[in-house]
Amino acid sequence: GAVVSQHPSWVICKSGTSVKIECRSLDFQATTMFWYRQFPKQSLMLMATSNEGSKATYEQGVEKDKFLINHASLTLSTLTVTSAHPEDSSFYICSARVISGGDYNEQFFGPGTRLTVL
Amino acid sequence: GQNIDQPTEMTATEGAIVQINCTYQTSGFNGLFWYQQHAGEAPTFLSYNVLDGLEEKGRFSSFLSRSKGYSYLLLKELQMKDSASYLCAASDSNYQLIWGAGTKLIIKP
Repeated sequence: GAVVSQHPSWVICKSGTSVKIECRSLDFQATTMFWYRQFPKQSLMLMATSNEGSKATYEQGVEKDKFLINHASLTLSTLTVTSAHPEDSSFYICSARVISGGDYNEQFFGPGTRLTVL
Repeated sequence: GQNIDQPTEMTATEGAIVQINCTYQTSGFNGLFWYQQHAGEAPTFLSYNVLDGLEEKGRFSSFLSRSKGYSYLLLKELQMKDSASYLCAASDSNYQLIWGAGTKLIIKP
């Protein structure tokens, strides 16, 4: 299957700082990338959907000015958590999708980034 | 609205069979996915169904009934490593995945 990487795998930062997380599709071009957040013992929560070259679509309740998403190329999307606070501590997971004829539009997940804000 | 329901937790014995059910309501439907997620890790793909019927893949099988909005994941010959959360997700008319809360499967020796 297709491979998606995320960097960093984990990050610890001070409250008020900004953190950038990268999501890369390594062996395919992703027309759409998704950013999820997962709190302990809870399911995935979709934060936003980004299509290459256009603005991300944010889910209700997700602050677009706090969670900046850039999808500048077909293989790279970034999520920047601005002015992070302890309540932003979570497991952030990206996924990438290719839509093609006959494809069932599977989402390929990155390994996740664990963010801890002190 | 769109909704996915699956049991919160199930317990089974090593070597046995377990069936995890999932019911869904979505705006349009483009298939049903099952993912496995171990604690602290990202989900990994298990199966995809878009037509009615059973898809078998080794020890894991997945079933879909579109008319009933129902799917199940069947795990045979359970192994301790199968202890994980199993996520059901339905693809809606926009190919967006609507996720269930996940079923935590506990395997006992």
